[in-house]
Amino acid sequence: AQSVTQLDSHVSVSEGTPVLLRCNYSSSYSPSLFWYVQHPNKGLQLLLKYTSAATLVKGINGFEAEFKKSETSFHLTKPSAHMSDAAEYFCVVSDVSGTYKYIFGTGTRLKVLA
Amino acid sequence: NAGVTQTPKFQVLKTGQSMTLQCAQDMNHNSMYWYRQDPGMGLRLIYYSASEGTTDKGEVPNGYNVSRLNKREFSLRLESAAPSQTSVYFCASSELVQGYGYTFGSGTRLTVV
Repeated sequence: AQSVTQLDSHVSVSEGTPVLLRCNYSSSYSPSLFWYVQHPNKGLQLLLKYTSAATLVKGINGFEAEFKKSETSFHLTKPSAHMSDAAEYFCVVSDVSGTYKYIFGTGTRLKVLA
Repeated sequence: NAGVTQTPKFQVLKTGQSMTLQCAQDMNHNSMYWYRQDPGMGLRLIYYSASEGTTDKGEVPNGYNVSRLNKREFSLRLESAAPSQTSVYFCASSELVQGYGYTFGSGTRLTVV
């Protein structure tokens, strides 16, 4: 069965410094992996996705993630944090049983300090 | 605007009351999903409908029922609300294609007192 673990429940960075949000996954198959962002009291917005093409995936707002099969990781990074990046981020693996249900991580809340 | 529409956006219920959360999508997607979001737990799947005419239980189905009314609409019903069902509920739609991705509604914030 697929699963996903977000290693940090909270991350704080200063504005202008790099962001690293960590995600490990477990899957018996070649997974599809996603990062979603949720700003306070808002819905979920897709940041980026990996679907077995390029291992380095670029998303919106300067975010990117690298799929590392040997480490079963899909960490989210951004070179320079902006105040508007403060939000909760979810790493998601797609079930491959044929129904493609999403399996969510528990989320990482990113705080950006001025 | 194209997307997933959820109603209502906010609701307060008394314990034991019933209600139905509505979800409609206009992207002609085959699959629809209901999730609940609770602090520190991410989103958990309640029910899903892989295609029109089918529904299946997810991870936390107890206390809920669903109806796939047609291809566009997928409703979630609470027959006898309990405080443990206080949560934010999200509907999503997608296609049964690897890596397709979900489109989410904006959520329904439900409080059961």
